[in-house]
Amino acid sequence: DAKTTQPTSMDCAEGRAANLPCNHSTISGNEYVYWYRQIHSQGPQYIIHGLKNNETNEMASLIITEDRKSSTLILPHATLRDTAVYYCPPRRGFKTIFGAGTRLFVKA
Amino acid sequence: NAGVTQTPKFRVLKTGQSMTLLCAQDMNHEYMYWYRQDPGMGLRLIHYSVGEGTTAKGEVPDGYNVSRLKKQNFLLGLESAAPSQTSVYFCASTEVVRAEAFFGQGTRLTVV
Repeated sequence: DAKTTQPTSMDCAEGRAANLPCNHSTISGNEYVYWYRQIHSQGPQYIIHGLKNNETNEMASLIITEDRKSSTLILPHATLRDTAVYYCPPRRGFKTIFGAGTRLFVKA
Repeated sequence: NAGVTQTPKFRVLKTGQSMTLLCAQDMNHEYMYWYRQDPGMGLRLIHYSVGEGTTAKGEVPDGYNVSRLKKQNFLLGLESAAPSQTSVYFCASTEVVRAEAFFGQGTRLTVV
């Protein structure tokens, strides 16, 4: 089964870049990498996704290694409002499986 | 554009009571999902549906039933609520090809 591994928690200083890693060594060749975040007790919010190439949108950048076994979500200038749990959930067939994610603390 | 709407937002049940949580999406998505989230934990998949009239079990289906009679609605039922079902419940929907999931705002359920 597809599986991802993320650090439990990370700290980042406000205004600095936050780099959140995800290991997805069992990802299949045509499977996209998706990232979400959950702020406090709200529903998870989609951030970005990619297949092979690096991607950037107004929220973040996604760097996927050439072998696709890992990726890094980059928040270029973290703010206090970026404090949240970040997920890179794997897909298993029709299902998206959310683990515990990485709890990012952005500190002033 | 409402996206995914869950009803109700909060509910307190007594042990043994039944209730139905409603999830409605207006994006014409084929796939719909019910997750539960306990304090400090990730989301766990309860049941999901890949189309109108179809349902399937997720990771933690015991004690729950679901129905997808209309494409836009996905209902989660608790026939006999137990304190262990105290949780926050999230509904989500996705397209077939683009699997970006849209989530509702959650239903906070307490069983006493």
